[in-house]
Amino acid sequence: GAGVSQSPSNKVTEKGKDVELRCDPISGHTALYWYRQSLGQGLEFLIYFQGNSAPDKSGLPSDRFSAERTGGSVSTLTIQRTQQEDSAVYLCASSSDSGANVLTFGAGSRLTVL
Amino acid sequence: QKEVEQDPGPLSVPEGAIVSLNCTYSNSAFQYFMWYRQYSRKGPELLMYTYSSGNKEDGRFTAQVDKSSKYISLFIRDSQPSDSATYLCAMSRGNKLVFGAGTILRVKS
Repeated sequence: GAGVSQSPSNKVTEKGKDVELRCDPISGHTALYWYRQSLGQGLEFLIYFQGNSAPDKSGLPSDRFSAERTGGSVSTLTIQRTQQEDSAVYLCASSSDSGANVLTFGAGSRLTVL
Repeated sequence: QKEVEQDPGPLSVPEGAIVSLNCTYSNSAFQYFMWYRQYSRKGPELLMYTYSSGNKEDGRFTAQVDKSSKYISLFIRDSQPSDSATYLCAMSRGNKLVFGAGTILRVKS
């Protein structure tokens, strides 16, 4: 596609429910990243994919968070048993892995946990 | 101590002013230095990136890197109300991009 697409754009859920956030990167981009942005905070790295592998998942805050990527394209970030502190904007970005790490971001999925 | 420090502002300037945005960092392993602009409820978009120390100019924007001082800057000349946004510095080491907290800029007409 022309850009990075994320869905849903907004998600309101109740504490304890599971949520899935989807990212469709730019076609041909081999690298895919998930970041989290809380109100007034910078971007917090969550996980990095190269193809379908995740060589760096050091930013996932707990074992309630997981992510997968299939076909070297679409990625899904899953948060199980959501907590109020999970409320944030979840941003996905992709890169052609040119070495400069120039990322193109999607508009984000805004998650609110009540 | 955070790897990348950035004053969150907000920074408020009149239209036409020169704006200076800055970040400091502690890890000398950073290789590439970038500036992203983020409008409200949008994803960050890349403005500029540089590799070496020195200046890089693109229209009204100039990025400056001083590796010896571990300090980077973004200058905006003739600032416009449309420049009002959050500006995030970012630095890469390997495959990881580390962001500053972002500076909120408001340009008043």
